[in-house]
Amino acid sequence: DQQVKQNSPSLSVQEGRISILNCDYTNSMFDYFLWYKKYPAEGPTFLISISSIKDKNEDGRFTVFLNKSAKHLSLHIVPSQPGDSAVYFCAASVGWETSGSRLTFGEGTQLTVNP
Amino acid sequence: NAGVMQNPRHLVRRRGQEARLRCSPMKGHSHVYWYRQLPEEGLKFMVYLQKENIIDESGMPKERFSAEFPKEGPSILRIQQVVRGDSAAYFCASSPRTGGYYTFGSGTRLTVV
Repeated sequence: DQQVKQNSPSLSVQEGRISILNCDYTNSMFDYFLWYKKYPAEGPTFLISISSIKDKNEDGRFTVFLNKSAKHLSLHIVPSQPGDSAVYFCAASVGWETSGSRLTFGEGTQLTVNP
Repeated sequence: NAGVMQNPRHLVRRRGQEARLRCSPMKGHSHVYWYRQLPEEGLKFMVYLQKENIIDESGMPKERFSAEFPKEGPSILRIQQVVRGDSAAYFCASSPRTGGYYTFGSGTRLTVV
């Protein structure tokens, strides 16, 4: 059962425009959500996170929005830059800060930012 | 401060052989996680270890797979009698504490021929 889904395998945007990456989840017990970026032949790197008690978290060009009622989160990148081209993974956890537990990852979305 | 070191980067094994994947966490990190990424899929949790203890192995296949994180030395993921379906990228991550953000290594790409 795929508890975290990223329905768009790929997304292409122009440099300077907004990139919006989407993620849906089914497990209502998830209380912490993270986005990771991955370049080829490298491990994922942490990008931004959000606790379920919030609906928005912002860090520079990156903003994550959480809609708990819809079990949906999105990552906005504004403005997009060619160096942002990578695979973006959404991940979720139950009891992240108390049990340091496992992350459940989505399948990833390949973002391509065209100059 | 070196990051999470995984070796080897690439490993080729024939069916039936053993594969040993090593992971040295970041300095000061005592929590280690192993994930597997099959082609065209996301990362799947395998096991969570602290020094000398397995905390959560609910993602590990029941047979042929084992993991350890000894008091001294790297964490080891061991796959016995490999099969073609074990071909994947295996990522290790470490964190300094419960709920601390992971730092991932660059992965070991296992190919079973």
